[in-house]
Amino acid sequence: AQSVTQLGSHVSVSEGALVLLRCNYSSSVPPYLFWYVQYPNQGLQLLLKYTSAATLVKGINGFEAEFKKSETSFHLTKPSAHMSDAAEYFCAVGGGYQKVTFGTGTKLQVIP
Amino acid sequence: SAVISQKPSRDICQRGTSLTIQCQVDSQVTMMFWYRQQPGQSLTLIATANQGSEATYESGFVIDKFPISRPNLTFSTLTVSNMSPEDSSIYLCSVDLGLDYGYTFGSGTRLTVV
Repeated sequence: AQSVTQLGSHVSVSEGALVLLRCNYSSSVPPYLFWYVQYPNQGLQLLLKYTSAATLVKGINGFEAEFKKSETSFHLTKPSAHMSDAAEYFCAVGGGYQKVTFGTGTKLQVIP
Repeated sequence: SAVISQKPSRDICQRGTSLTIQCQVDSQVTMMFWYRQQPGQSLTLIATANQGSEATYESGFVIDKFPISRPNLTFSTLTVSNMSPEDSSIYLCSVDLGLDYGYTFGSGTRLTVV
């Protein structure tokens, strides 16, 4: 069985501030982990993925995430928020031969 | 990666009617997935569609309500049958391109049932 928990359904940051979106996972096998972004009225776009290679993963738009097995975490960060980062972000676990399970999402608000 | 074209992008339907959503991929894929995203919620997998076999439905979803076709390796349809306001959601198709690309999603169909 596998699951993800995203802490905080809404996060607000000031433009230029650090973005930190939290994700903890549970998986009975070594996990594949993903972060997706959904802009209003659009589908999901893959930001980055962890597939058992480097634990620090860099994605698009300046985002990165670090896989920490001891903490079962895969938090998403960006050093400096931009107005265009306002969207909903989903953490997901699975892939390969396993069904992908999505977290409940975190809406990021960027305050000018 | 792949490009997924999904249509319609949105529709407003009367209760009791049916809507068929189309998903076209620009490359051949083995598995296609249909998700539902209810207002303010995360994605829930409806079913997995493999070409040449019956779709596999997740718990809580049945073929009579959500019939799926998968006639070839680039195309699939999802029908939402006998709609009620509770079916108002975003429906998304997705393909698995392997771990190098993750799951790729269509832009979604925003369905409102009145």
